[in-house]
Amino acid sequence: DTEVTQTPKHLVMGMTNKKSLKCEQHMGHRAMYWYKQKAKKPPELMFVYSYEKLSINESVPSRFSPECPNSSLLNLHLHALQPEDSALYLCASSQGGTSGVSGDTQYFGPGTRLTVL
Amino acid sequence: AQTVTQSQPEMSVQEAETVTLSCTYDTSESDYYLFWYKQPPSRQMILVIRQEAYKQQNATENRFSVNFQKAAKSFSLKISDSQLGDAAMYFCAYRVTDSNYQLIWGAGTKLIIKP
Repeated sequence: DTEVTQTPKHLVMGMTNKKSLKCEQHMGHRAMYWYKQKAKKPPELMFVYSYEKLSINESVPSRFSPECPNSSLLNLHLHALQPEDSALYLCASSQGGTSGVSGDTQYFGPGTRLTVL
Repeated sequence: AQTVTQSQPEMSVQEAETVTLSCTYDTSESDYYLFWYKQPPSRQMILVIRQEAYKQQNATENRFSVNFQKAAKSFSLKISDSQLGDAAMYFCAYRVTDSNYQLIWGAGTKLIIKP
């Protein structure tokens, strides 16, 4: 099973709201990722958690706050977003650690379509 | 710096025909992985096929196969017997072995299937 789930599927929020995106996987993966994707563009990496510790933060504004409560869960807390933050937010997971034979393949969730008004 | 180039913004193919999507990359590394991902209008990014650079044999997955030319730094995707469900954006991606998890992505190719 290579399933990564994300909730909600769609989210509309005002610039003063606080909301959270949730991602879950039960594949025993130890690396989890947040990506932002604009229409017809490849995903842009935002954050990487490895063994529940933040290992990469791609200079993302502080209005995005990631959290990894345990090895299966990844949250993205949103606060005071701007209209330009409207995008598809993808979560992914991979085995983590050394690449092994899988190349540390990333498996993606279905995404959350975020609209900021 | 590593880069991935997909020179075809859009391709179209008749249903049941064969189509090839191109991908080239630039790297000085010798050990890496290459991936093709598919993203249909439903948005989910789906792994299509994976190739290890140290393997000379081209990867295949059912109707999907790659032509991996390491010296030429080329990694094209061939889709045989195209089906309507193959319509999607296709992204080529590269990852250095034992890197810090980052994928380098191509710009994507939109594949249209004509019935």
